[in-house]
Amino acid sequence: GDSVTQMEGPVTLSEEAFLTINCTYTATGYPSLFWYVQYPGEGLQLLLKATKADDKGSNKGFEATYRKETTSFHLEKGSVQVSDSAVYFCALDRNTGFQKLVFGTGTRLLVSP
Amino acid sequence: GAGVSQSPSNKVTEKGKDVELRCDPISGHTALYWYRQSLGQGLEFLIYFQGNSAPDKSGLPSDRFSAERTGGSVSTLTIQRTQQEDSAVYLCASSLGGLAGTDTQYFGPGTRLTVL
Repeated sequence: GDSVTQMEGPVTLSEEAFLTINCTYTATGYPSLFWYVQYPGEGLQLLLKATKADDKGSNKGFEATYRKETTSFHLEKGSVQVSDSAVYFCALDRNTGFQKLVFGTGTRLLVSP
Repeated sequence: GAGVSQSPSNKVTEKGKDVELRCDPISGHTALYWYRQSLGQGLEFLIYFQGNSAPDKSGLPSDRFSAERTGGSVSTLTIQRTQQEDSAVYLCASSLGGLAGTDTQYFGPGTRLTVL
């Protein structure tokens, strides 16, 4: 079945460091790919998405490129801030019928000043 | 406008009891989803409602789980005869219900269920 694999956390960085959170997927067809973020005490929020191969999603300085050849959608940010501390979830949707999201286990990011 | 709200935020119950979890979606959203997040696992899809159509129950783990959506708005997830493995955070999301590739789900803060 469809699945999403994320790197285990926590990822601990100093402010202004470069961030990469790896995400790979297994799915038939041509899924859409998503990154969701959950800040402490808040609900999940859509961070960015890409709906086809080679698309790049971007938001708030974060980027991820849909790589079909490596079945990956790695999240990157050039310079993290303390306020980026959160749990990040990679997800896919097979684009058949309604949006039925399949999530990874989440990666906790901790950014220190 | 208000986001998706869920109640209660925390629920502790004894094994074998029934529980009801409530979700108030964003006004105007026709699609509503329930997910479960167990410790160390990703979010797991449970059930989907769209307008007045029959719900997609393909993610419900057992017949102890059921959900309804009254008047196309508020939804209740019911777990009967709770078991310890039901302990998890239950998340609700709503969306406008457009095409899968363009739709965006908005999540509530979740209900943390603990079964003793």
